[in-house]
Order: sequence, then structure tokens, then C-alpha cells
Amino acid sequence: GAGVSQSPRYKVTKRGQDVTLRCDPISSHATLYWYQQALGQGPEFLTYFNYEAQPDKSGLPSDRFSAERPEGSISTLTIQRTEQRDSAMYRCASSQGTGSSYEQYFGPGTRLTVT
Amino acid sequence: AQSVTQPDIHITVSEGASLELRCNYSYGATPYLFWYVQSPGQGLQLLLKYFSGDTLVQGIKGFEAEFKRSQSSFNLRKPSVHWSDAAEYFCAVGPRSNDYKLSFGAGTTVTVRA
Repeated sequence: GAGVSQSPRYKVTKRGQDVTLRCDPISSHATLYWYQQALGQGPEFLTYFNYEAQPDKSGLPSDRFSAERPEGSISTLTIQRTEQRDSAMYRCASSQGTGSSYEQYFGPGTRLTVT
Repeated sequence: AQSVTQPDIHITVSEGASLELRCNYSYGATPYLFWYVQSPGQGLQLLLKYFSGDTLVQGIKGFEAEFKRSQSSFNLRKPSVHWSDAAEYFCAVGPRSNDYKLSFGAGTTVTVRA
């Protein structure tokens, strides 16, 4: 596609519910990143994919968070049993390759609110 | 520990005036350096980046940044701001190894007054 898209743009959920966020990267991009951005903070790395492989999950806050990219294109981030502290903007980015020399292109984000 | 500091949370500037946003980093070796802008409802957009060479880097939208190794700084400047420059600006650093983790500062919000 022309850019990185994310859906939904806004999600309000009750504590304890599961949510799934979607990211559609730029079609030629091998690498996809997920970030969490709390209010008043910069984005923080959660995990990344190189095609369908997920070499690093170290930024995921707990085992309630999981991500997948089964066909090396679209990715989903799932949060199980949501808690209020999960409220944040979740950003996806994609790049042609892996490494900070490759420009990351960011999507508009999904604003998650847990009530 | 690696860190990125943007000392100014919020800056207000008059349209046509100059703008400077500060960024300091703490890193083991000189990293790659980036400035991103986030406009309301938009994703982060890369303004400019420093990898090596000339320490004064030109970016899009009339922005420039200067890398100063002695001060571990990478400050962003624009000589004359436009109302459309009102946004949140993030400084980020990334390791020179084949690593991929960008570390972002907390951001500086810029308000432009007429």
C-alpha cells in the first residue's frame, strides 16, 4: 500500500477483555515493528518481525501481549485480559530491512483506552 | 544506560520566528540520530537523520539539525516557523550495530502563535 495503516484507530474496551490491533505495512517492507506510546512519552519498542519471524519479543510488557505476522505481511497485536495500565497509543512501523540505518515508516496508531 | 533527553516539554513560538529544539543522548558510542515529527492524527514522519559526515544535516520542511559530539547533542532548528509546524517533535537514537531498537525522547510539543 501507499503507507502503513492501522485499525482500528480508536478502541475502548473494558478491563479484562481481549483486544486485537491490526497493522498493514508498506507492501515491499520486510521488517515490521510494534511500539507502545504512553501519554506524554515517546514510543517504546515492543517487538519486531523480519518477514514472519519474530526474533525479538523483549519489549512486550507481559505474557498477556502477543503479536504475529503469519504470512510476512499484515501483523496483529493481541492483548489478553486488558488492564487499565495498557491504555496507550500502539504504533506500527515498517522498513525495507532490519537495522536502524533503514528508515522506519510509521502508521497513525491505535489509541487504546481500557476502562 | 542508553537514554535520550528532550529538556523542553512545550515550546511556544511566534510565526516567522526561529525555532530550536534540544536533544541530548547518553550512549556507549555515537549512534544514528533522528528527528521525527508527529502531527495530530498522523503517524511519525522522519524529518532528518545523521549517520556520518557533515555534522549539519538538512531535512524536509526547512528543518536542519547539528550533531555535536562533544556535547552529545543533536538539536533541531528552523529559521522561520510556519503555523503548520505546530506538532510534537521526537528525537530518537539507534545503535550503529546491526541492531534495530530506536530509543525515543519524550517529545517536545511546539505551539505556533500568529
